[in-house]
Amino acid sequence: NAGVMQNPRHLVRRRGQEARLRCSPMKGHSHVYWYRQLPEEGLKFMVYLQKENIIDESGMPKERFSAEFPKEGPSILRIQQVVRGDSAAYFCASSPQGRGTEAFFGQGTRLTVV
Amino acid sequence: GQQLNQSPQSMFIQEGEDVSMNCTSSSIFNTWLWYKQDPGEGPVLLIALYKAGELTSNGRLTAQFGITRKDSFLNISASIPSDVGIYFCAGDMEYGNKLVFGAGTILRVKS
Repeated sequence: NAGVMQNPRHLVRRRGQEARLRCSPMKGHSHVYWYRQLPEEGLKFMVYLQKENIIDESGMPKERFSAEFPKEGPSILRIQQVVRGDSAAYFCASSPQGRGTEAFFGQGTRLTVV
Repeated sequence: GQQLNQSPQSMFIQEGEDVSMNCTSSSIFNTWLWYKQDPGEGPVLLIALYKAGELTSNGRLTAQFGITRKDSFLNISASIPSDVGIYFCAGDMEYGNKLVFGAGTILRVKS
């Protein structure tokens, strides 16, 4: 039973480019959470999605960031026009029900903006 | 926003020593969780605490959910080199979908 799969593991983008981060939840999990971890800090909640619905996006920056979890396929976190401050590790977690305390985390995508 | 104050920020201990770290908050939490993160990896859940006063063990790890619901501690007994990593506390305020994380405790073990 594969865990939460994130790809790519490392992503380098130039300022102004777009970054797309993918997350495939564990089998049987229909709830996905995205967190961001800045260097030497804890994880910060960004968004919680179920299939085809954004449930809580209270942690998402107002501009340039968007997330989706389509009926088929992985969840996508999209960052448009990246800036250096977007450099961070982005983690996805999934759970079988809508309990963040029962979520399993992926290995993360490390985004570096140059 | 909600904050968890985690201490100490880092520890450098001798193999075999016991370790203690804690988290405090000005807000009440319904659930406390402790995670370990290895370099380049995602957090892995160590212990989950669901009731005030609860004391739970997982091998050499012991954690407690404070009576006031505003704090928790994690103890590691007889540390070994593979205990090296970053330990995070996390809390859930709303029986819901998002966790608040502490800033982490970096543990280094000297063999």
